[in-house]
Amino acid sequence: SQQGEEDPQALSIQEGENATMNCSYKTSINNLQWYRQNSGRGLVHLILIRSNEREKHSGRLRVTLDTSKKSSSLLITASRAADTASYFCATVPVGSGGSNYKLTFGKGTLLTVNP
Amino acid sequence: EPEVTQTPSHQVTQMGQEVILRCVPISNHLYFYWYRQILGQKVEFLVSFYNNEISEKSEIFDDQFSVERPDGSNFTLKIRSTKLEDSAMYFCASSRGNQPQHFGDGTRLSIL
Repeated sequence: SQQGEEDPQALSIQEGENATMNCSYKTSINNLQWYRQNSGRGLVHLILIRSNEREKHSGRLRVTLDTSKKSSSLLITASRAADTASYFCATVPVGSGGSNYKLTFGKGTLLTVNP
Repeated sequence: EPEVTQTPSHQVTQMGQEVILRCVPISNHLYFYWYRQILGQKVEFLVSFYNNEISEKSEIFDDQFSVERPDGSNFTLKIRSTKLEDSAMYFCASSRGNQPQHFGDGTRLSIL
């Protein structure tokens, strides 16, 4: 089974519109993180939300977490062409601690923002 | 802002040869990771390293793989005898524990 499945796989919107990406996971988590990856580059951390949190904001980003449904969403408001990238959710499983906080990534959503 | 740096950015190697991928994590980080991403696929965990030893490794991380932190600043991934299926982007990451991980820009490994 896959831990961290995003949908949609691809999303194309116009500049100024909002973009919503969803992530589902299967096992209990310590926290869930969202990363952005521009083509050919490394992953850039966006937001970390812990299992006891329901919503977090950072600038134009809003993340929600529903642990009962094992799902999360990332909302980017007033999108810009520079937001064009792949977006991944990644989970740290419950019980992590001490020596290891490995991330398990989903397949990602490719967001294209058209100018 | 401090960054994780990886070298080389692109490595082309003949099948069966050894490769060493290098990473300089952020200096005050204590947790180190290698991940890989085969073209068009998701990022996969390879290995985590803490307190100078491997804390977890995935099924991908077989006997051909090893990691080292030789001098307190570098963190290396060695593949002893490369296979065609080792072709991928390899990412190094570091963190301060249960905090966001910081990733390098990756090494693109091409096995011929």
